[in-house]
Amino acid sequence: GQNIDQPTEMTATEGAIVQINCTYQTSGFNGLFWYQQHAGEAPTFLSYNVLDGLEEKGRFSSFLSRSKGYSYLLLKELQMKDSASYLCAAMDSNYQLIWGAGTKLIIKP
Amino acid sequence: TAGITQAPTSQILAAGRSMTLRCTQDMRHNAMYWYRQDLGLGLRLIHYSNTAGTTGKGEVPDGYSVSRANTDDFPLTLASAVPSQTSVYFCASSEETTDTQYFGPGTRLTVL
Repeated sequence: GQNIDQPTEMTATEGAIVQINCTYQTSGFNGLFWYQQHAGEAPTFLSYNVLDGLEEKGRFSSFLSRSKGYSYLLLKELQMKDSASYLCAAMDSNYQLIWGAGTKLIIKP
Repeated sequence: TAGITQAPTSQILAAGRSMTLRCTQDMRHNAMYWYRQDLGLGLRLIHYSNTAGTTGKGEVPDGYSVSRANTDDFPLTLASAVPSQTSVYFCASSEETTDTQYFGPGTRLTVL
């Protein structure tokens, strides 16, 4: 079956760095997406990886290892506004997204 | 640019009643999707449409129907609502070059 695993909740301190891990099992693979979702709002696109390696975009970076079925989202210089859920989603061979349940990130001052 | 709009924002519906959730996009994206989001679960695909005139079933299609008469609109209909359809419903569309999906603001539906 197809499955995405990510931690349910993480806590970090303002100004620090946090890494949110995601492992995936899909029928075929056409890329890994990360979305941010603030409470009561829609998911918004953060990053896309299809090749192995690190993609950096400002304070956010995303890493992919296709051989390990593993990705992480790295958030640096955490700000209070980064408190949100982070959704990992893998695109399968039919170009459908398989979504994880999301990781709720709590930022403490 | 409005992007994707959904209506209504929220709704309380009696079980057994029908309802149509509306979704409109102005980005000229060919592909559109309907998801439901429930606490503790990932987004689950209900139906999708790769282009106007075509639709397909997702992971949880039972009790829902869709149509795609044109590029911009993708309504989701609940023919006879049941309490298990209480959820937040998100419509999304994707651009062909990157397959990135963009989401509407969602409709919070409560079926009593």
